[in-house]
Amino acid sequence: AQSVTQPDIHITVSEGASLELRCNYSYGATPYLFWYVQSPGQGLQLLLKYFSGDTLVQGIKGFEAEFKRSQSSFNLRKPSVHWSDAAEYFCAVGAQGGSYIPTFGRGTSLIVHP
Amino acid sequence: DAGITQSPRHKVTETGTPVTLRCHQTENHRYMYWYRQDPGHGLRLIHYSYGVKDTDKGEVSDGYSVSRSKTEDFLLTLESATSSQTSVYFCASGTGRQETQYFGPGTRLLVL
Repeated sequence: AQSVTQPDIHITVSEGASLELRCNYSYGATPYLFWYVQSPGQGLQLLLKYFSGDTLVQGIKGFEAEFKRSQSSFNLRKPSVHWSDAAEYFCAVGAQGGSYIPTFGRGTSLIVHP
Repeated sequence: DAGITQSPRHKVTETGTPVTLRCHQTENHRYMYWYRQDPGHGLRLIHYSYGVKDTDKGEVSDGYSVSRSKTEDFLLTLESATSSQTSVYFCASGTGRQETQYFGPGTRLLVL
């Protein structure tokens, strides 16, 4: 079975600064990977996903993520954070061709200072 | 956005009482899921369904049952609620196991 780790429980950045949220996964074969965002009091919304092909994936709201197989990572980045990006971010990993439901990480809470 | 709703949105109940949460989707998605979200644990899968009357257990299924008699509805039942089941419950739907999940707004349940 797959597992996913988000090492940072909280991240604090200033508005306009760059952002990187970390996601590491454990799975022997080819994974498929997601990043979801949860605004306060809301359900989760997909930011981006990786199945195959280009390892740099573009998503909504100016986010991107890079799949690095050698590091078992799928980190989320944004060059300039806006106050509205304050939210909880979840990485999820599934098994390509497998029967498993994707597993979610515990989430990283992003705090944005003005 | 996918049309997925949950009812009720908030519920307070007492230990030992049965509780049913409803999830309704209008996208004709084959798969539906129930998760619970707790601080420090993220999202944990309770049960999921891969078709009408087809369901399977997730990571934290003890104390919960589900039913899916129609494509659009997925019910989660706590047979006898306990304080440990106080949580925020999210429903999601999607076209396949490996596809994007679309989430409902959540149900906040407090068991006293």
